[in-house]
Amino acid sequence: TQLLEQSPQFLSIQEGENLTVYCNSSSVFSSLQWYRQEPGEGPVLLVTVVTGGEVKKLKRLTFQFGDARKDSSLHITAAQPGDTGLYLCAGAVRNFGNEKLTFGTGTRLTIIP
Amino acid sequence: DADVTQTPRNRITKTGKRIMLECSQTKGHDRMYWYRQDPGLGLRLIYYSFDVKDINKGEISDGYSVSRQAQAKFSLSLESAIPNQTALYFCATEKRQGANSGSGELFFGEGSRLTVL
Repeated sequence: TQLLEQSPQFLSIQEGENLTVYCNSSSVFSSLQWYRQEPGEGPVLLVTVVTGGEVKKLKRLTFQFGDARKDSSLHITAAQPGDTGLYLCAGAVRNFGNEKLTFGTGTRLTIIP
Repeated sequence: DADVTQTPRNRITKTGKRIMLECSQTKGHDRMYWYRQDPGLGLRLIYYSFDVKDINKGEISDGYSVSRQAQAKFSLSLESAIPNQTALYFCATEKRQGANSGSGELFFGEGSRLTVL
């Protein structure tokens, strides 16, 4: 069962434009992570959000955790070719004292120079 | 050198063959994971281990087995490979986090691409 849906699945935009990708679920998460994966490599953590409504910024990337902790968004300002990659969200569900991470379906982003 | 090393990086095999994918880490983390990645499905958890004596099934463990030989080594086996096991496989480690700090960061290897003909 896929708990986390990401949209859009594919996004191709021109350099300099802004974009937002979404991560949605019907489940409540204790925390949520965003990863970026480049071709031939494993995913790399960008950010972890823990509190409902939390906003974190990483240079031109802004991450927001929904108030109900069921969804998240990633906004990129003035996209650059280096932002190209597969973006994955991952929600953590606490189960018997341990946290289990479930990954979303991914958004493949291409920035055209 | 990579902190999380997977071997082989690429493998082509035939239906019914036994395959082992190996993972070693130098990060000193207790927790290790095996995921498979398929287009449009993200990463799905196969097995995970919180220490050498702890092995747990993930959401798609059927057809797979694992061995945690040491803190630094976690291998994934396909006893009799089938074509729908063709995928990109990732090993990951996690540093145990304190209470109320959220899930720890996962550190991934570079992946092992397996093709089953």
